[in-house]
Amino acid sequence: KAGVTQTPRYLIKTRGQQVTLSCSPISGHRSVSWYQQTPGQGLQFLFEYFSETQRNKGNFPGRFSGRQFSNSRSEMNVSTLELGDSALYLCASSSDYAQETQYFGPGTRLLVL
Amino acid sequence: QKEVEQNSGPLSVPEGAIASLNCTYSDRGSQSFFWYRQYSGKSPELIMSIYSNGDKEDGRFTAQLNKASQYVSLLIRDSQPSDSATYLCAVDTGRRALTFGSGTRLQVQP
Repeated sequence: KAGVTQTPRYLIKTRGQQVTLSCSPISGHRSVSWYQQTPGQGLQFLFEYFSETQRNKGNFPGRFSGRQFSNSRSEMNVSTLELGDSALYLCASSSDYAQETQYFGPGTRLLVL
Repeated sequence: QKEVEQNSGPLSVPEGAIASLNCTYSDRGSQSFFWYRQYSGKSPELIMSIYSNGDKEDGRFTAQLNKASQYVSLLIRDSQPSDSATYLCAVDTGRRALTFGSGTRLQVQP
C-alpha cells in the first residue's frame, strides 16, 4: 500500500498570504489528522477529519482551517500567515477502528518570510 | 505541568548497549500509547504501540506500560548507530488527537 502523501513538500510564503496544503491518506483510511511541528512547541494537534466532518480540533486560531473530501483526501488552509506559522505540517491517517495507529506523511515544510 | 513529559536528552549509549527511554503522562483517560522515531528533517515513524499494562516486544524494541503510575517506556536492545534519532512518546485519549512529548534525543556511539 502506498503511504500518506503530502503536497507540496516545501513552500515559501510572505506574511499576510494564505496557503493550502494537501494530504492523501493511505488507501482505506478515512481518518486524517493534521499536526504542526516547531522547534519551540514540538508536535501539536491541529484537527482531525472523518467522513468529511471535523471531529476534533486543537488549540489553534481560526486562521487554521481544513476540510476533507469524499475520497478522504484532506486539505488544510492557513490564512493571513504570520512568521510564527513557519513549521513542518504533518498529516497522519488511520482507520477508524479503536486504538488504531496514525501513520504520518513526509510533511510540508512552510517558511513564512 | 506538561501533559506528556520526556527527558530531552541527549541520551548517549555505546553501540550494543540497551537504551532506556521514559515518558510520563497526566491524562488518566489516555487509552493508546505510541513511540515514534524521528530522524532529523524527516517525519515521525511508528516504532511501537501499546494499549494495556505490561510489556510488548517487537524485535529489538520493548514497550512497557504502567497505567497506575502513568508511565510508558521504550527499551532498545543492541543499540545501533542507525538508532540515533529523536524518540517521541505520544498518547491518545481515543479522540485521534495525539499528544506528544518533546522527544528524547538518542545518540548511539560506535
